[in-house]
Amino acid sequence: QKEVEQDPGPLSVPEGAIVSLNCTYSNSAFQYFMWYRQYSRKGPELLMYTYSSGNKEDGRFTAQVDKSSKYISLFIRDSQPSDSATYLCAMSGTYKYIFGTGTRLKVLA
Amino acid sequence: GAVVSQHPSWVICKSGTSVKIECRSLDFQATTMFWYRQFPKQSLMLMATSNEGSKATYEQGVEKDKFLINHASLTLSTLTVTSAHPEDSSFYICSARGDLRSGPGEDEQFFGPGTRLTVL
Repeated sequence: QKEVEQDPGPLSVPEGAIVSLNCTYSNSAFQYFMWYRQYSRKGPELLMYTYSSGNKEDGRFTAQVDKSSKYISLFIRDSQPSDSATYLCAMSGTYKYIFGTGTRLKVLA
Repeated sequence: GAVVSQHPSWVICKSGTSVKIECRSLDFQATTMFWYRQFPKQSLMLMATSNEGSKATYEQGVEKDKFLINHASLTLSTLTVTSAHPEDSSFYICSARGDLRSGPGEDEQFFGPGTRLTVL
């Protein structure tokens, strides 16, 4: 079993839709949870960084962490074609990041 | 926010040659730098972790004699792919971690834009 599981997609949604992206994990030692956006042939760009269970909101993005279920989510409201990218979840317990495989998202105009 | 640069952004080389990739933290001191490799449509895989002034720690399955890492200063780490072969063609991404703040954010890594290596 992988430490971090993420559906690779692709996920296609119409413009304006609410997008839900999810990751599950098995290591209860993970304390930090991140979401990155990666455009083709570019480095990952940090979207959200969370430390504890609960919700964290930043503009159109909401990150949710449920440590009891070992489940994290990223919600994108009012999705735009420019949101089309691969979204990677990442987790760490000390300093080493473990990444999910990434979910490819396509927002259709 | 913290900025990490990589150079070159794209390199093509012949099989058997060596290629050096630089990773720089532009506006902070990076106590630790990480090197990742990403194959098409796959996730980032950590290759090695380097701390300034000490030897890099390589992940299982990564050949340390093939992927030479030097972290000579708090703002620069280099990855040298020695005797490159076509199977080494990949997207190499570095990240840097520094003591920017205390508290929960202290674990944050900042990623460079990546270097695409193509070995012919």
